Amino acid sequence: DAGVIQSPRHEVTEMGQEVTLRCKPISGHNSLFWYRQTMMRGLELLIYFNNNVPIDDSGMPEDRFSAKMPNASFSTLKIQPSEPRDSAVYFCASSFYRLAGGNEQFFGPGTRLTVL
Amino acid sequence: GENVEQHPSTLSVQEGDSAVIKCTYSDSASNYFPWYKQELGKRPQLIIDIRSNVGEKKDQRIAVTLNKTAKHFSLHITETQPEDSAVYFCAARRGKSTFGDGTTLTVKP
Repeated sequence: DAGVIQSPRHEVTEMGQEVTLRCKPISGHNSLFWYRQTMMRGLELLIYFNNNVPIDDSGMPEDRFSAKMPNASFSTLKIQPSEPRDSAVYFCASSFYRLAGGNEQFFGPGTRLTVL
Repeated sequence: GENVEQHPSTLSVQEGDSAVIKCTYSDSASNYFPWYKQELGKRPQLIIDIRSNVGEKKDQRIAVTLNKTAKHFSLHITETQPEDSAVYFCAARRGKSTFGDGTTLTVKP
């Protein structure tokens, strides 16, 4: 398995543009997580899905952010319009959720977003 | 909202010693507490987690303890090795996750 795949790996865009980040989780995993990391704000969990359904999106910073998971093998995080303060590394992670716990998460390599 | 404080911010230990990192949280309804490890320039890893109905959990050299009354939880690493050197983040979740600011652990050979 190739692990969690994220694209693009780097994105540079101008303020006001729409940005779409993509994630392909590990096959067979039923949970997917979107994280953001910056020096100023640290690590943040933005949203997570179980079985393609958003379970909690209270970490999404603003209405400019939206995430979808149309099927078990694909998710997108969209920012529209983008702002300089959205510059960060965005990580996607997936896991196989077990009620008993021990849910190991596998992180993708991240997308480094720069909004000018 | 939830507030998570993590201590210490830096920790240096000799190889083979134990390391303990502590986090306190404010929302007594938080029910899930994961720990992440991030080596320099690499992606995070979720290394261990605990739910509020459990007091302690172990996985080889790492363990996490939870004291719900005092609202704190701790990461314990025994027999530390140089490859344990990393930044460790704690988090508390009640729906939304709140993260600590991280602890930079250095294990000196």
